[in-house]
Amino acid sequence: EIGMTQSPATLSVSPGGRGTLSCRASQSVRSNLAWYQQKPGQAPRLLIYGASTRATGIPGRFSGSGSGTEFTLTISSLQSEDFAVYYCQQYHDWPLTFGGGTKVEIK
Amino acid sequence: QVQLVESGGHVVQPGRSLRLSCTAPGFTFSSYAMHWVRQAPGKGLEWLAVISSDAANDFYADSVKGRFSISRDNSKKTLYLQMNGLTTEDTAVYYCARSYSSRNWIDSWGQGTLITVSS
Repeated sequence: EIGMTQSPATLSVSPGGRGTLSCRASQSVRSNLAWYQQKPGQAPRLLIYGASTRATGIPGRFSGSGSGTEFTLTISSLQSEDFAVYYCQQYHDWPLTFGGGTKVEIK
Repeated sequence: QVQLVESGGHVVQPGRSLRLSCTAPGFTFSSYAMHWVRQAPGKGLEWLAVISSDAANDFYADSVKGRFSISRDNSKKTLYLQMNGLTTEDTAVYYCARSYSSRNWIDSWGQGTLITVSS
């Protein structure tokens, strides 16, 4: 099983600030990585797939990068609606696995 | 807008069985692979199982293999999850979700249904 490790567990950012979230895979997943956003009481929402492709309707302030084992989700200018928990997920191999999540909170 | 509606959420005793359903009225259900993902209270996401669009293939997380079974009825646009031998560790919100193929990113999620396993 491919283990996914996200860091930090909690990220405190001021509104308008930049947030950088990391995701590390225990073995290469190439670019088979997605990012999701989840707000309290809601289902997750797809943000990024293929490590760097924004899903339909996702604002340009969200960007993904990386390949192999190291990935980054960057939120360039955090808006109030961006404070949430973010998960990475690999779909390179079975079983599909999620990272433990990074909570982005208001500083 | 993609709509996925889970049902079957319940309070159930340990050791019992339960079947969840997910209906998908608003898109071509038979063209998509379908997943179940769960989230224990206050915890992260755990992928459980996927079934291919034609139901020919399925894959499971080790944590539920042999206890849970995923199935679908394309004529009814419905996905199922049969859960046997439930334990308190199965307490979670269960989401159904879709992807273009089995080993792929998930592009839409249902709102989830809560299963509480408790005596």
